[in-house]
Amino acid sequence: QQQVKQSPQSLIVQKGGISIINCAYENTAFDYFPWYQQFPGKGPALLIAIRPDVSEKKEGRFTISFNKSAKQFSLHIMDSQPGDSATYFCAASKGGTQGGSEKLVFGKGTKLTVNP
Amino acid sequence: KAGVTQTPRYLIKTRGQQVTLSCSPISGHRSVSWYQQTPGQGLQFLFEYFSETQRNKGNFPGRFSGRQFSNSRSEMNVSTLELGDSALYLCASSRSINTGELFFGEGSRLTVL
Repeated sequence: QQQVKQSPQSLIVQKGGISIINCAYENTAFDYFPWYQQFPGKGPALLIAIRPDVSEKKEGRFTISFNKSAKQFSLHIMDSQPGDSATYFCAASKGGTQGGSEKLVFGKGTKLTVNP
Repeated sequence: KAGVTQTPRYLIKTRGQQVTLSCSPISGHRSVSWYQQTPGQGLQFLFEYFSETQRNKGNFPGRFSGRQFSNSRSEMNVSTLELGDSALYLCASSRSINTGELFFGEGSRLTVL
């Protein structure tokens, strides 16, 4: 059972455009929602993260929007640049004391291509 | 500060063989997690070690095992390799367990023939 569903699978945008990637989760116990960015030949790198007590978090051109009631969160990349071309993974985890947590569950990824 | 180091970066094995992958975490990080990445299944959690003890385990068969040493370095082993084990195996370290802030290595790409 896939606990985090990510869409779209691939996305092509023009330079300067807005890239939007959506994720939906099932487990209401999840309390940490990071986004990871992966370039070819590299491991994923933490991009930005949010906790459910806020509805939006912005870091530079990257914004996470979070809708707790709908169990959905999304990544918006403003003014997309060719250097943003990478695979983006949303994820979710449940914290807690030792033995009571669940490790990060990842979405299946979105391959973003930003055309110059 | 050095990142997470994984060795070897690439390896080719045949069915039935076994393989050992190594991971050196970021200095000061005590938790090491392993993930399998494939085009079809994406990133799947294998296990996590903290203070030389396995703290969490994903849904993988017993052929997949790991361990952590007192210096926080970790190894994972896959025995009786199957074609479906071909994947990129990623190690990630973090300062403590139960955190989503993981620092990944570049992975070990395993091809099983």
